[in-house]
This record gives sequence, structure tokens and C-alpha cells, in this order.
Amino acid sequence: EAQVTQNPRYLITVTGKKLTVTCSQNMNHEYMSWYRQDPGLGLRQIYYSMNVEVTDKGDVPEGYKVSRKEKRNFPLILESPSPNQTSLYFCASRGDGNWNTEAFFGQGTRLTVV
Amino acid sequence: GESVGLHLPTLSVQEGDNSIINCAYSNSASDYFIWYKQESGKGPQFIIDIRSNMDKRQGQRVTVLLNKTVKHLSLQIAATQPGDSAVYFCAEKNTGNQFYFGTGTSLTVIP
Repeated sequence: EAQVTQNPRYLITVTGKKLTVTCSQNMNHEYMSWYRQDPGLGLRQIYYSMNVEVTDKGDVPEGYKVSRKEKRNFPLILESPSPNQTSLYFCASRGDGNWNTEAFFGQGTRLTVV
Repeated sequence: GESVGLHLPTLSVQEGDNSIINCAYSNSASDYFIWYKQESGKGPQFIIDIRSNMDKRQGQRVTVLLNKTVKHLSLQIAATQPGDSAVYFCAEKNTGNQFYFGTGTSLTVIP
């Protein structure tokens, strides 16, 4: 089954404690991205990756890091989480940069930073 | 920066009626647009997309219209069903391959 898998689904952490949210897709997609979703603000893109070892900043990259060492995985790293990073996070992937293929989203990771 | 907005935050329609959800975008250089559906507790689900060189695209029970002159995008759902109740987002892609999403319209289908 084609899917994008995020882990964990729920996470409560303390300010300053480094964390990683994993994202994996099984569709051999080239393009992957991370979003955060906040009430009244909709989905905002954090980072995206066009392919292995190629990453670019989205609209709200501050406080986040990503890596794309292999095609299937695109982890989101918060080196020093702060309460304003409390949000619902989604990972997404699509086939290629020609925008011919449907985009798939993960189920989301609800992060709370206290 | 980019802004993608929606005309109405909520929309209620009678089952069987057609629904129209609107979206305005600000960047005339955006070249690709998508509509997503998000049900409670789930990630967004792709519905339909359209490139900037098109005015209209049809899918199964859905139609997307793009008016580049006024930078307006709409999603039409024919014969709306209870399962269509969800939040609908439009998204635009700029030439830098970044995506910008609207805040969403909550569609409620009344049986």
C-alpha cells in the first residue's frame, strides 16, 4: 500500500530537548516536504527536498533542520524545541517535480513543547 | 510574501446540492494549484490539481476552475454527499517549488 509514514504520532517534550520526527515513503518519490498546521494559519511549508541531498527552505524554516540522505526518508529535526513549535506536523511526498502525480500526506504528528 | 485565502471559512449545503468553494491567490507567477480535503484527525488528501495553462479541469464529481485574470480558484463538488464534509484547502506552487496553502473552508453537508 502506497503511504507516507510519520513517527511518532503524538509527542510531548520539554523546551530545549532535541527531537526528530521521522518520515518515510514507500513510493520512490523524489519530492518530499514538511508542513506545520496551526489554527487560523493553515498549512505552512517548513522545508522541502527535490531529491536525495537536495533540500530547500520553505516558508517557515526557522528552528528546524532536515536531511535527505536516502530517497525514502526525510526526517525533521528540532535541535532546541520551543513552545512556539507546538503544532501539528505533516510530511508529504510526490513523484517528481513535474507535478504530474498526486501528493500523499502522512497522518500527522502532534507535537507539544512545554 | 505569498498569501492564499478563502472567501468563506464555513459552508453548509444540502445533500445532493452542488458545492462551490472559492480561493484567492496573490502571486500571478504561481504555476500550479491543488485542492486538498482534510477530514478530522487525518492528513490532507489530494482531490484535484490544475496547471496555470489551463482554465478548467474535471475529475469525478469535482471541477476546478482557474481564473488567472482575477487570481481566483474554485472547487465545485457535484451532488454533495455526507462523506464530502471536511475542510478543503487550496494550495499554490510558486516557480521556486514552494507550496502555499489557504486557511481552509469547512464544508458541512446537511442530510
